[in-house]
Amino acid sequence: QQQVKQSPQSLIVQKGGISIINCAYENTAFDYFPWYQQFPGKGPALLIAIRPDVSEKKEGRFTISFNKSAKQFSLHIMDSQPGDSATYFCAVTPLSEAAGNKLTFGGGTRVLVKP
Amino acid sequence: DSGVTQTPKHLITATGQRVTLRCSPRSGDLSVYWYQQSLDQGLQFLIQYYNGEERAKGNILERFSAQQFPDLHSELNLSSLELGDSALYFCASSVAKGTRAGDYGYTFGSGTRLTVV
Repeated sequence: QQQVKQSPQSLIVQKGGISIINCAYENTAFDYFPWYQQFPGKGPALLIAIRPDVSEKKEGRFTISFNKSAKQFSLHIMDSQPGDSATYFCAVTPLSEAAGNKLTFGGGTRVLVKP
Repeated sequence: DSGVTQTPKHLITATGQRVTLRCSPRSGDLSVYWYQQSLDQGLQFLIQYYNGEERAKGNILERFSAQQFPDLHSELNLSSLELGDSALYFCASSVAKGTRAGDYGYTFGSGTRLTVV
């Protein structure tokens, strides 16, 4: 059962453009919604995260929009740069004590920013 | 450098063999997590240890096992290896123990690429 659906699978954007990646989740018992950035040969690195009590969070060129009622959240990369070319993963964590601290990841979006 | 150290970086082994992957968490982090990344399954949670004790389990195969030692480093043991076990194995660490997962986030290592031939 896929708990987090991420789209699109890949994205090509021109330098200076906006990249938008969407995630939808099914289980309402999630508490934390991070986005990770992964470069080839590296592990995922935390980019930005949001809690369900806010609808938007911005850090530099990266913004998360969160829609609790629709169970969706998205990542916007403004003024996209070639250095942003990477794979982006959304993730969720549950409130359940038994689940510990595990992250459930979306399938990933490969972003290519053309100069 | 994320502060999470994984060794070895690459591993090539034959089917049926057993391997051990090692992870040293970031200084001060008590939780260690193991994830498997493959092309068809994406990033899948395997298991979490907190301060030496198993905290949560994901879809970890019975052929796989892990442990966390008193110095907090962790090892993931994969046995009776099959071709389908070829993947990137990531270790991550965090300060946090459990439920309020997002308070501290994760730090991932650079992974061990396992190739089973």
